[in-house]
Amino acid sequence: KAGVTQTPRYLIKTRGQQVTLSCSPISGHRSVSWYQQTPGQGLQFLFEYFSETQRNKGNFPGRFSGRQFSNSRSEMNVSTLELGDSALYLCASSSEGGKYGYTFGSGTRLTVV
Amino acid sequence: AQTVTQSQPEMSVQEAETVTLSCTYDTSESDYYLFWYKQPPSRQMILVIRQEAYKQQNATENRFSVNFQKAAKSFSLKISDSQLGDAAMYFCAYVWETSGSRLTFGEGTQLTVNP
Repeated sequence: KAGVTQTPRYLIKTRGQQVTLSCSPISGHRSVSWYQQTPGQGLQFLFEYFSETQRNKGNFPGRFSGRQFSNSRSEMNVSTLELGDSALYLCASSSEGGKYGYTFGSGTRLTVV
Repeated sequence: AQTVTQSQPEMSVQEAETVTLSCTYDTSESDYYLFWYKQPPSRQMILVIRQEAYKQQNATENRFSVNFQKAAKSFSLKISDSQLGDAAMYFCAYVWETSGSRLTFGEGTQLTVNP
């Protein structure tokens, strides 16, 4: 079956702009999580959505937001981009939550200039 | 604080040899799950192996096995008969029952496989 699909693969934005990243989970998976990966901070949890509700949230400013649609597809939005938001953003899906492990997408590489 | 530590930023191994990657974690939780993920240059994180903390038996998946020492909070990954395709960044991670789905990752170990 198809894996987790993230679009776009690469994105270049200017400081102050906003960006929306998309994630389509594995069919039947209702949980979608987002992670930010940077060389300095490593992998950090952003938030998790389950059945269209945010179930868990990491320590990121309010500029980072997300949502989940009825078909489990999820979007992540970052407003007023800063240079420090440059990172690889990974989406992961699961049918039962994290304890069984997540299936990750290939990520979106965001560069803020 | 719940933390995961991988003390080896880089490791190398000869093809067909065995290598062990170290991981320690700190938690006050009693019910949790441990994972090793592999991230090749393609960037996709791939689940290598999973261990339930309440199980004493070490998990194995083909050439991959773990040494889980719960009292020592240690969770090392052994790769046997290393192959060129095993070259990647390896992350140790865990999630505890009350954290919902929040995976906490270590810093990663870059594994090089020499032919």
